Order: sequence, then structure tokens, then C-alpha cells
Amino acid sequence: AQSVTQLDSQVPVFEEAPVELRCNYSSSVSVYLFWYVQYPNQGLQLLLKYLSGSTLVKGINGFEAEFNKSQTSFHLRKPSVHISDTAEYFCAVSDNTGGFKTIFGAGTRLFVKA
Amino acid sequence: DTAVSQTPKYLVTQMGNDKSIKCEQNLGHDTMYWYKQDSKKFLKIMFSYNNKELIINETVPNRFSPKSPDKAHLNLHINSLELGDSAVYFCASSVNRDSGNTIYFGEGSWLTVV
Repeated sequence: AQSVTQLDSQVPVFEEAPVELRCNYSSSVSVYLFWYVQYPNQGLQLLLKYLSGSTLVKGINGFEAEFNKSQTSFHLRKPSVHISDTAEYFCAVSDNTGGFKTIFGAGTRLFVKA
Repeated sequence: DTAVSQTPKYLVTQMGNDKSIKCEQNLGHDTMYWYKQDSKKFLKIMFSYNNKELIINETVPNRFSPKSPDKAHLNLHINSLELGDSAVYFCASSVNRDSGNTIYFGEGSWLTVV
């Protein structure tokens, strides 16, 4: 069975500062990894995903994430955040063996302060 | 030209009532889902259909019944609503597994049971 742990429930940060949102996963098979963002009163939208290949993945809005197989991590980073990045961020994992189940982490609330 | 659309967006109803949420996707995806997000933002899969066939049925009370008339629609009917059913319900659909099973979410239906 797979699981996802987002290590921080809330991350406050000042505007233009760098940020890292941490995500660890566990799985007995190879996985696909995702980060989704949820703005207030909206659905989730895909930020980026890792399927295979390069371990550094770039997504929308200047975000990137690095897949680290040995540490089973997929941390999300942005070098300089904006007020508009304030949102809930979800890490997710699905296996690549043919299943349809995607497991989501509990979410990290990123709060960008002026 | 909304990709995944669900109605209604807001629903306030009394305990014991029966209600339905409708969902349609125009992305041509084969797989559709219902997710429930509680007040702490935790996101949990409820059901998944692939080509109108139920493939995921998590531990959900049998008061919840999904129906997929065709692969572009997945509706959720809830009988005898309880206070604990208050949540945001997200409909979603996904690309095939070769693309990592990326999930596309609707805007959510805010259900409040009073």
C-alpha cells in the first residue's frame, strides 16, 4: 500500500523569500508523484508531476520539485514566493502498475506574508 | 468550456433529506472519480469509474450511490443525509495511465447539512 506524508501542515513565509514544502512517500512499487495546488474555494489543479527520467521537475508558476528515490521524497520548492501563492498544496502518489488509486497527503497551507 | 463541471456548487439541506450532485467532463477521459474533502482539507477518494464500470469503492456508507450513465458523466446520490456528510465533494477525471494518471478536478460542491 502507498502512503504520503506532508511534513508541515502550515508554512508561513514572507513575500520574495524561498520556500520548500516537504513530502515523503512510501510504496512497494514504482510510483508517479504529483503536486497539486488548491486556491480558496476552488478545486485542485496540477502544479507538476514526476513520471520518469530527470529527477528535477519544473511546473507552473515557477515551482519545481525533486524526486529523491533513496530518501523517498518529492519536495516542492520555489525560489521567490508571491502573495498570490497563498494556497493549500497537496502531494500525491499513484502506482504505475495499472491501478487507478491516487493517494493524497494531508496538505500544507502556504501563507505568504507581505 | 469547463473541463470538469459539477452542480450544484453550494447545497444546504436538512438532515434526512436525499440529494444529488451531478458531474460532467468534456475531456474525453475514461476514468472519473468522487473525492470528499473534510473541514481539515483532508482529501479522500470515494468512488472511481472506468468506462462506466465501478473500479474503486472505498469504505463509504451505502447511503452514497454513484451512477455513471456514460463515461462523460458521474453523478453522486446521497440518501438520508447526516450532519457528518457536510464536506466539499469533488468530481474528477483522469488521463490514461501512460500519462501518469493525472487527475483533473471540478470546482467542488459545498454540502452543508443542518
